Amino acid sequence: QVQLQESGPGLLKPSETLSLTCSVSGYSISSGYHWGWIRQPPGKGLEWIGSISRSGSTYYNPSLQSRVAISVGTSKNQFSLWVSSVTAADTAMYYCARQGVAVAGRGEFDYWGQGNLVIVSS
Amino acid sequence: EIVLTQSPGTLSLSPGERATLSCRASQSVSSYLAWYQQKPGQAPRLLIYGASIRATGTGIPARFSGSGSGTDFALTISRLEPEDFAVYYCQQYGDSPLTFGGGTKVEIK
Repeated sequence: QVQLQESGPGLLKPSETLSLTCSVSGYSISSGYHWGWIRQPPGKGLEWIGSISRSGSTYYNPSLQSRVAISVGTSKNQFSLWVSSVTAADTAMYYCARQGVAVAGRGEFDYWGQGNLVIVSS
Repeated sequence: EIVLTQSPGTLSLSPGERATLSCRASQSVSSYLAWYQQKPGQAPRLLIYGASIRATGTGIPARFSGSGSGTDFALTISRLEPEDFAVYYCQQYGDSPLTFGGGTKVEIK
């Protein structure tokens, strides 16, 4: 059974850098698929942040690309997200998920973590 | 960016009834469309991918089915069970960036 679990701080101040890690069990990141991050502001819809392949190729949403980085730590079967210069608009539940590869960088999300709520407030 | 428009915003139905949810894309995504179910306090759950392929790893019941291609898609729940009342999202992966629709809430009438 594939399981994902996000971890990271829940409260940040404006201008700080958000850092989250997703720990994967039941499947090796290096075996395949892409691995993605999606966020959901309270009471709103879903927004794709970006994804990374097992080889380290990254794909980002242009709306966030200048502030976002995703990397894989295969030795611990984890991948991570960084979002710099956060503002209140970055307040959201952040989900990590396993992504199918219909086309390079693009696919559906079949397994999700439970989410990590990040609040940005001074 | 491809915009996905879901309708209706809210669907009020009774258990046992048939639900039909719509997702329209601003340009063709071929069959690269997925549907998710989200309940309060939970992560989204993949129901359908490839427009009509029921997800198997997460035990999706046969009462859920997807159809469509190009720009017009539908998710049908043949007979609503109490656990089906939730918010449903479509997602396209025909082009980057990946985008989601705004959601349809299926509520108990």
